[in-house]
Amino acid sequence: DTGVSQNPRHKITKRGQNVTFRCDPISEHNRLYWYRQTLGQGPEFLTYFQNEAQLEKSRLLSDRFSAERPKGSFSTLEIQRTEQGDSAMYLCASHAVAGPYEQYFGPGTRLTVT
Amino acid sequence: LAKTTQPISMDSYEGQEVNITCSHNNIATNDYITWYQQFPSQGPRFIIQGYKTKVTNEVASLFIPADRKSSTLSLPRVSLSDTAVYYCLVGDSTNAGKSTFGDGTTLTVKP
Repeated sequence: DTGVSQNPRHKITKRGQNVTFRCDPISEHNRLYWYRQTLGQGPEFLTYFQNEAQLEKSRLLSDRFSAERPKGSFSTLEIQRTEQGDSAMYLCASHAVAGPYEQYFGPGTRLTVT
Repeated sequence: LAKTTQPISMDSYEGQEVNITCSHNNIATNDYITWYQQFPSQGPRFIIQGYKTKVTNEVASLFIPADRKSSTLSLPRVSLSDTAVYYCLVGDSTNAGKSTFGDGTTLTVKP
């Protein structure tokens, strides 16, 4: 399977715990995005990387959220001190920089904070 | 980033052609128009992308008028499996990933 993969697919955690999600993009894609999606709404942009550089972060990304993309390959999204409002689907997408693009999305990680 | 406006929902029957229109009055010169499909508990999936006039692929057609302030996604002969949420996005390769998906159009195909 050469698509975008995300792990874990589901995560249940208690309020106040830290969680980390992983995204493996398509290997030749140098752009990687993280989105958050709540029920009934479209995905909301959180942050994106070009290679290993984090180029932009949304104001939605509070200081409890941090993302990394070491070596420009896989990426991790960590949420510290989780809150119930963090419960959502976290989506990762990738695409190549050059030319008209299409984003390839992973299946997402469903986070439930109890 | 150009904002897009779509109908919240649409109903259709199997075998019919469905047209979903998206308004994007503030589209910029370098912006492309891209449509995605999303099923429950899955990530969005690319359907089609265009810049002007008409684009067709194996699953859909995209019609873009000369002023590019709107676009229409056309799904020929829909089936039950086309029931999904459809999103219209506008942007270029430098900013499109930050485009607002909005709430999309929920298409329900009935037998």
